[in-house]
Amino acid sequence: QVQLQESGPGLVKPSETLSLTCTVSGGSISSYYWSWIRQPAGKGLEWIGRIYTSGSTNYNPSLKSRVTMSVDTSKNQFSLKLSSVTAADTAVYYCARVTTDPGDWFDPWGQGTLVTVSS
Amino acid sequence: SYELTQPPSVSVSPGQTARITCSGDALPKQYAYWYQQKPGQAPVLVIYKDSERPSGIPERFSGSSSGTTVTLTISGVQAEDEADYYCQSADSSGTYEVFGGGTKLTVL
Repeated sequence: QVQLQESGPGLVKPSETLSLTCTVSGGSISSYYWSWIRQPAGKGLEWIGRIYTSGSTNYNPSLKSRVTMSVDTSKNQFSLKLSSVTAADTAVYYCARVTTDPGDWFDPWGQGTLVTVSS
Repeated sequence: SYELTQPPSVSVSPGQTARITCSGDALPKQYAYWYQQKPGQAPVLVIYKDSERPSGIPERFSGSSSGTTVTLTISGVQAEDEADYYCQSADSSGTYEVFGGGTKLTVL
């Protein structure tokens, strides 16, 4: 079955750009939407945005000015960039496959990767 | 911005029925989804499209919808069901997704 794995630096300095990649295995990345979701320690889930394999995107309005998502179908990967980070961006970041039928749901999820914003 | 409201906590004894609610103005128009998250683990989908159960999810998990409230029901709660539960849905235009604040289910 499809599995997702997040990768990227675990420590990012304030004001810099957070960059993460999600690698999809066990199936093709094509013809699906893919999302990033984050969770600060001890807090709830926050949807960051989604990308289709064509490159079409939708972002959370609260993060839209700082978020960029991209997809590389040749590598079965999609990526997240979050600019001008602050301590408030410290969280576990999850990638997930989106099913739209209609309405979006997230399944499966990656195991998550902790990103800490600190100097 | 659009919000989904869940109770912070629900407690039940083993074998009883747990009901977790999620309220939002757009729920009459948009489907709701439920996720179970155990400590240190990624969330797992337990209900989709208000009341559908993915394969592999026990039959004791069910979902329902009424107006602006959706409910996750766990019948015959077991100790292994102790977890955080999150509802998720879209805003009225279907443009962006929102999660509820989460409900911690404690099995006494």
